[in-house]
Amino acid sequence: ETGVTQSPTHLIKTRGQQVTLRCSSQSGHNTVSWYQQALGQGPQFIFQYYREEENGRGNFPPRFSGLQFPNYSSELNVNALELDDSALYLCASSPTVSGNTIYFGEGSWLTVV
Amino acid sequence: GENVEQHPSTLSVQEGDSAVIKCTYSDSASNYFPWYKQELGKGPQLIIDIRSNVGEKKDQRIAVTLNKTAKHFSLHITETQPEDSAVYFCAAPTPNTGNQFYFGTGTSLTVIP
Repeated sequence: ETGVTQSPTHLIKTRGQQVTLRCSSQSGHNTVSWYQQALGQGPQFIFQYYREEENGRGNFPPRFSGLQFPNYSSELNVNALELDDSALYLCASSPTVSGNTIYFGEGSWLTVV
Repeated sequence: GENVEQHPSTLSVQEGDSAVIKCTYSDSASNYFPWYKQELGKGPQLIIDIRSNVGEKKDQRIAVTLNKTAKHFSLHITETQPEDSAVYFCAAPTPNTGNQFYFGTGTSLTVIP
């Protein structure tokens, strides 16, 4: 069984640029969530996708957007990057939208300079 | 919204001793509480979870206890080993959701050989 996979693992962007991060959910998992983890902090919920639609959003501005595809994979897009967007971006999948347990990938490290 | 507080932020124990990490939450409707272990450079790994209909759950050297009245839950690691050294996070669901989480700020556990 393949776990949650994310790409790229590391990337560096310039302030003002745009970035796309990708996630493949664990086999059979139809719900994908994205979290931002700043250095030394706990993960913060960005949003969740189910059936290709946003199904809940945390306290993040609209320049954070996402997509989910028919195969349940997902993208996180961040526009107009700011220095404070530098963080580990974690994707997590769960078997169902109503189930409790979520499983994380290894994350994508984003540095904004 | 939910507020999850986690203590202590750092914890050092001698190998073989026990470690206890405590979290409090604010939403009395919360009914599922996972614990994650995060090693350096990796994503969080689910190590144990508990639902609100039980007071304690054990898995080998790891246990979690839940006090719904006081709204706190704790992670207990017995017979600690150097490989237990990591950052541990507790989490509680955001209101009216099952798998969108608030995370604590983490506890950095060091097991001294």
